[in-house]
Amino acid sequence: QQQVKQSPQSLIVQKGGIPIINCAYENTAFDYFPWYQQFPGKGPALLIAIRPDVSEKKEGRFTISFNKSAKQFSLHIMDSQPGDSATYFCAASKGGSEKLVFGKGTKLTVNP
Amino acid sequence: DAGVIQSPRHEVTEMGQEVTLRCKPISGHDYLFWYRQTMMRGLELLIYFNNNVPIDDSGMPEDRFSAKMPNASFSTLKIQPSEPRDSAVYFCASSLDRGRLGEQYFGPGTRLTVT
Repeated sequence: QQQVKQSPQSLIVQKGGIPIINCAYENTAFDYFPWYQQFPGKGPALLIAIRPDVSEKKEGRFTISFNKSAKQFSLHIMDSQPGDSATYFCAASKGGSEKLVFGKGTKLTVNP
Repeated sequence: DAGVIQSPRHEVTEMGQEVTLRCKPISGHDYLFWYRQTMMRGLELLIYFNNNVPIDDSGMPEDRFSAKMPNASFSTLKIQPSEPRDSAVYFCASSLDRGRLGEQYFGPGTRLTVT
């Protein structure tokens, strides 16, 4: 009930491609879904977050798509750049007011 | 603000030794979290505090691990005695208040190696 399943484990795209990272959850009480970005040697940093009252949220080149009925959400990176190469974690919590449950992470490599 | 500060950044110790990791959260943040990150298990929440009080320590792996927060600007995570399987990167994070627990600010981490 507390798990968030993330896929793929790793992803390689060419510059300009649109990598998509997917997450699925079981606990229907979850209603806050952030994505964190982590560069090597650094701590994770909040990238973008969504609540289930909307189906999509965009911030710059990053978009979260949310499917409440399927209990899935995904991160899309438009016009990906080598600087986007990092590990991305999805997460979920109840109302943003309890501890986060993290996915296992996706290592993204964007080749020049 | 300087962000979340952790020390040391790297720690190498021998099995059986005591290890103390330190964290200074962002000023004004009410919540402090300790995480452990490994390739096998990903990012695991060990314990979190609210206003210096431990709220949930269900992620602490065993009695060898302990955490304290004596005041709003300082926390420690102690491992005694350390074992090779404790080798990991340990992160401290803080968040402003209950309504924004999902907005966590992570420190740079402490890479612990136990030989």
